Amino acid sequence: DGGITQSPKYLFRKEGQNVTLSCEQNLNHDAMYWYRQDPGQGLRLIYYSQIVNDFQKGDIAEGYSVSREKKESFPLTVTSAQKNPTAFYLCASSISGNTDTQYFGPGTRLTVL
Amino acid sequence: AQSVTQLGSHVSVSEGALVLLRCNYSSSVPPYLFWYVQYPNQGLQLLLKYTSAATLVKGINGFEAEFKKSETSFHLTKPSAHMSDAAEYFCAVTPGGYQKVTFGIGTKLQVIP
Repeated sequence: DGGITQSPKYLFRKEGQNVTLSCEQNLNHDAMYWYRQDPGQGLRLIYYSQIVNDFQKGDIAEGYSVSREKKESFPLTVTSAQKNPTAFYLCASSISGNTDTQYFGPGTRLTVL
Repeated sequence: AQSVTQLGSHVSVSEGALVLLRCNYSSSVPPYLFWYVQYPNQGLQLLLKYTSAATLVKGINGFEAEFKKSETSFHLTKPSAHMSDAAEYFCAVTPGGYQKVTFGIGTKLQVIP
């Protein structure tokens, strides 16, 4: 079955530590996205990539970093510079661009202790 | 820049009653519009998408939405609510091209037996 996987589903981190969230897709999609979801704020775009080895900042990129070395993988690192990292993180992909349907992974809930 | 407003962060309907979730958008060019649904602790799933082919768009699970340019609206409806419709619904807009997708804050639908 094609789809997007995110791991882990729940993640706990001590304050001051970096942590990497995994996102893998086997849909052969060119574009991939990372969103942060907080109650009452909808989805906010962190980073997106429309092609391998290229990515752009979204609305709330500060304190986050990404890489896109392979078409199927788009990991997100939450660094210690992110002031309020506790949130639900969603990865998505689409065929090529922003007018295409986005397919979402199941999400990772990050809690900073 | 585009924006989307979802009126009512929480909506309650009785099982079998009409579901109406409101979405108003702003866009400088003819937009692409989406409705996504999210069940608890899961990713989002596309319900339907407007791409200017037809103003009345039919989606999955009996949902439909009508694009009204004069009212800048894209409200989501379903004639008869089912318990399984209880979820959070997000409206999203993009002007296309390289412009990102902007999501609304979401509307939580409660279905009362």
